[in-house]
Amino acid sequence: DAGITQSPRHKVTETGTPVTLRCHQTENHRYMYWYRQDPGHGLRLIHYSYGVKDTDKGEVSDGYSVSRSKTEDFLLTLESATSSQTSVYFCAISEFDLGEQYFGPGTRLTVT
Amino acid sequence: EDQVTQSPEALRLQEGESSSLNCSYTVSGLRGLFWYRQDPGKGPEFLFTLYSAGEEKEKERLKATLTKKESFLHITAPKPEDSATYLCAVRSGAGSYQLTFGKGTKLSVIP
Repeated sequence: DAGITQSPRHKVTETGTPVTLRCHQTENHRYMYWYRQDPGHGLRLIHYSYGVKDTDKGEVSDGYSVSRSKTEDFLLTLESATSSQTSVYFCAISEFDLGEQYFGPGTRLTVT
Repeated sequence: EDQVTQSPEALRLQEGESSSLNCSYTVSGLRGLFWYRQDPGKGPEFLFTLYSAGEEKEKERLKATLTKKESFLHITAPKPEDSATYLCAVRSGAGSYQLTFGKGTKLSVIP
């Protein structure tokens, strides 16, 4: 299994509060991704990183920001959580830009 | 815009009853089609990558094939442990970092 951990694994928060999710990898892969998974939708890309301090937006980036100060860590921040951001969030990594992506165990976030 | 449609949405099989899952796609220049398996409460697990029409890959009871418009995941003599949701994703030349995922096929194999 790819060495990917996500923290926390579960979180309940209130509308309007900031939330940060962490993805940590031990594979030294260059590329990292944040996805969200919702019933009735496929996995959708939020943001991705192609190197330390190099990030870009995905399909559903509104309301989210990311940071990557070290190869191994990729943080996803919800500046002011809304109920529409209740979802399961997955981090993924890949060694090559066109290679397969390996996913972490996920974080279940509930915004009340 | 890239699109991926998976069918059926759900499939129930008896143990040993072979079948196929379908993934139809529309992309502007395919740069990889990916199959994943996802168990409840877990992250997707990578199975296969296919790059060109005619390509086939196998792993245990699973075989993935690719044409210019669709991919099939063939399951031969399935076992209950093959029960999972199978996801298909494509990468196009238009946005090489982004994978577009289908909604998945939920497979249940009954003993």
